[in-house]
Formats: sequence, structure tokens, C-alpha cells
Amino acid sequence: DIQMTQSPSTLSASVGDRVTITCRASQSISTWLAWYQQKPGKAPKLLIHKASTLESGVPSRFSGSGSGTEFTLTISGLQPDDFATYYCQRYNTYSVTFGQGTKVEIK
Amino acid sequence: QVQLVESGGGLVKPGGSLRLSCAASGFSFSDEYMSWIRQAPGKGLEWISYISSSSYYINYADSVRGRFTISRDNANSSLYLQLKSLRAEDTALYFCARVRGGSYPTFDFWGPGTLVTVSS
Repeated sequence: DIQMTQSPSTLSASVGDRVTITCRASQSISTWLAWYQQKPGKAPKLLIHKASTLESGVPSRFSGSGSGTEFTLTISGLQPDDFATYYCQRYNTYSVTFGQGTKVEIK
Repeated sequence: QVQLVESGGGLVKPGGSLRLSCAASGFSFSDEYMSWIRQAPGKGLEWISYISSSSYYINYADSVRGRFTISRDNANSSLYLQLKSLRAEDTALYFCARVRGGSYPTFDFWGPGTLVTVSS
């Protein structure tokens, strides 16, 4: 089974910072990777699919990149609304694995 | 607008059973693949199961295969998850989610979840 490893587990940052979260796959997944944002007590929200395609309505300060086994989510200019937990998700034919999550905290 | 509302959660003893439901509205339910995803308290997301629009394709995570059964009723725009032989480690918030991408699933709409607690 393909494993997904996110780093770091927790990230402390300030408003305005550029933040990068990494997700590594145990084998190549091409660009079949999505990113979600989850706030406490809420359902996750899809931010990015196909590694770099931004969902409609998601602010352009969010961007995704990567292919194969290494992927990144970048937030350029962290806003107060962005403090949350972020999950990567790999997907291929009928099968899904989530990363363990990265909590972005206020520094 | 798209709405998904789960129900059926509660407290159940180990070894017990429960049936979760998800009522969908605001989209053509019969055209869409659907999925269940869970989150144990304070933990990450775990995909559980997936069903195609016609129920032809179904898949489960290894952790629930043989104990959980996903199904759907397109006439009533409802998704179900039958949980059997429940264990303490099945305690979680269970989300239903609409699949975007068919056989390459991402999840573009989620319900608020229903809590299942397995405890004696």
C-alpha cells in the first residue's frame, strides 16, 4: 500500500509568513495528489487537486507543486484564516490514502 | 447548493452494529460517486469506503473490509454505511463526501459528520 508522509507535523508561523508543507509518497503517484484544509470542528475543504490545480474560490496565495513522490503546499502570505490543519491525499484507481496532517499554529 | 447530512451515530458496545445514513441534496446524486471517511478524536483522516454511482464499483479500506458495508439508494438520494463487529478503534466522526473524479477520487463536498462511540 502507498504511504503518505507529511512534514512537519506542526508548524508555527506568523501572519504574512510564507509557509511550505511537504508530502512524500512511498512510491510514485504521478500528480494524483490533493490538499485539504480542516479547521477545528469542521469538515475538510478541498484546496488543490492534481497536485497543482487550485479549486474554484480558493485564494491564490495557496499553491501546490510536485510530481512523482514529492509534493509541496505553499501559502504565500499567511492570513489569520489560514491557521488550520492541512492534509495531503493521494488517489488512484478507487484507492485513497491521507497524510497524517500538518497543523499550522500561530507563532 | 450541495448539502450532505449524516445521521445514525451514537454509543454502541464493542461487537455491536450501527447503520449510518447520509442525506444528499442540491446535486444529481445518482450521477455521483460517494465515499465515507472517518476521523478518530484528535487524529487524522482515514478513508473507509467508496461506491460508484450505480453501485457497480465498491472498495473498502483494509481496516474495515468484511465488517462495514457501503450502499446507496439513488431514488432517495441517500448513502449508507452498515457497521458491524464494532471495536473501540472504530470510535470516530464519520463523514460522507461527494467524490469528484470518479475512479480517481477527491472529495469536493463533505457533510458535518456523525459521531460513533464504541465503548462498554
